[in-house]
Amino acid sequence: AQSVAQPEDQVNVAEGNPLTVKCTYSVSGNPYLFWYVQYPNRGLQFLLKYITGDNLVKGSYGFEAEFNKSQTSFHLKKPSALVSDSALYFCAVRDMLAGNTPLVFGKGTRLSVIA
Amino acid sequence: GAGVSQSPSNKVTEKGKDVELRCDPISGHTALYWYRQSLGQGLEFLIYFQGNSAPDKSGLPSDRFSAERTGGSVSTLTIQRTQQEDSAVYLCASSLGAGVTYNEQFFGPGTRLTVL
Repeated sequence: AQSVAQPEDQVNVAEGNPLTVKCTYSVSGNPYLFWYVQYPNRGLQFLLKYITGDNLVKGSYGFEAEFNKSQTSFHLKKPSALVSDSALYFCAVRDMLAGNTPLVFGKGTRLSVIA
Repeated sequence: GAGVSQSPSNKVTEKGKDVELRCDPISGHTALYWYRQSLGQGLEFLIYFQGNSAPDKSGLPSDRFSAERTGGSVSTLTIQRTQQEDSAVYLCASSLGAGVTYNEQFFGPGTRLTVL
């Protein structure tokens, strides 16, 4: 079975400070990992994904995420937060052996960046 | 079109009525997914289509829910005899199909369904 945990419902950070949104996963085999962002009244927008290779993945809007196999984590990070980063963030996983089956999503973490 | 489109964007209906939600995937995408997002909740998988294969209906919450995909493109999600607990945002996504399993899903803007 595949699952994703986002342990924080809410993360607050001051503008200009670094931000981290946490994600841990569980799969039978090896994972493909994804981060999406959802702005108010919008659909989900793809940020970045980990497939293989370099554990540090860079994505849109200055976000990056680090794959850590030993800790089964894929935390989303940004060196300097912007107020416009305030949104709902979802982590998702798919087992490499699961074909094109639907991504399994975490419950989401709401990020608030305060000016 | 450039992205996944869904219609209507908002739907208000009375309890007991049937509703149809439409999804137009990105051209060339053979995989199509329906999810439901309730207020303050994560995404709940409903149904998945891959090419001409039989759909994976394992996420449908009851037999009042059904979906079809015509011609391998447009999909319609139908909810019969709507209940208040069906109120949610229904999201459709598509992705490139078989052969590559690390494709991301591209989401539409969603249909907000309110059952009175």
